[in-house]
Amino acid sequence: NAGVTQTPKFQVLKTGQSMTLQCAQDMNHEYMSWYRQDPGMGLRLIHYSVGAGITDQGEVPNGYNVSRSTTEDFPLRLLSAAPSQTSVYFCASTDIGSYEQYFGPGTRLTVT
Amino acid sequence: KNEVEQSPQNLTAQEGEFITINCSYSVGISALHWLQQHPGGGIVSLFMLSSGKKKHGRLIATINIQEKHSSLHITASHPRDSAVYICAPGNNFNKFYFGSGTKLNVKP
Repeated sequence: NAGVTQTPKFQVLKTGQSMTLQCAQDMNHEYMSWYRQDPGMGLRLIHYSVGAGITDQGEVPNGYNVSRSTTEDFPLRLLSAAPSQTSVYFCASTDIGSYEQYFGPGTRLTVT
Repeated sequence: KNEVEQSPQNLTAQEGEFITINCSYSVGISALHWLQQHPGGGIVSLFMLSSGKKKHGRLIATINIQEKHSSLHITASHPRDSAVYICAPGNNFNKFYFGSGTKLNVKP
């Protein structure tokens, strides 16, 4: 099993550009989530999904969109990048029965 | 308002020392994760606790639900233990609160 995969690992965007961060998992987990990690702060939840076709907002959803067309994939879209979105982004999937969380390797995004 | 407080924020130890990282939280929880993040690296779940104590190798995690407190202990610390350790209590499978982490540096 590959676990949780994320692409790209690094990305530099100019203000106003849009892009999609990809996330996939092969553990058949229903629950998936996106977090951002900023220096000195804990991980903050952006969006989450409890299954295909169902998404909801987390703590810091503004400027981001998500969709969940399959159990495996949960892409995160930045609509119009801003310097405040410079961060490291982690995708995670959770085994609902055990609460075990599995994190992807992260995407380091810089917006100039 | 910080739902999760970890202490210390930074910790330097000599190889072989016994290490304790503390986590206090203010929310009601169903389970608590201890996570490890190496420099520039991804995040790995070390433990998921709902009560009592768990042990994996040199790592021990305890939780006291009534006191809303958890500890992570590392026995016979090693330089490869150098990482950021994150406490994450959760009251549902989709609601975790993350501490800002304890940065551990173990010197040889």
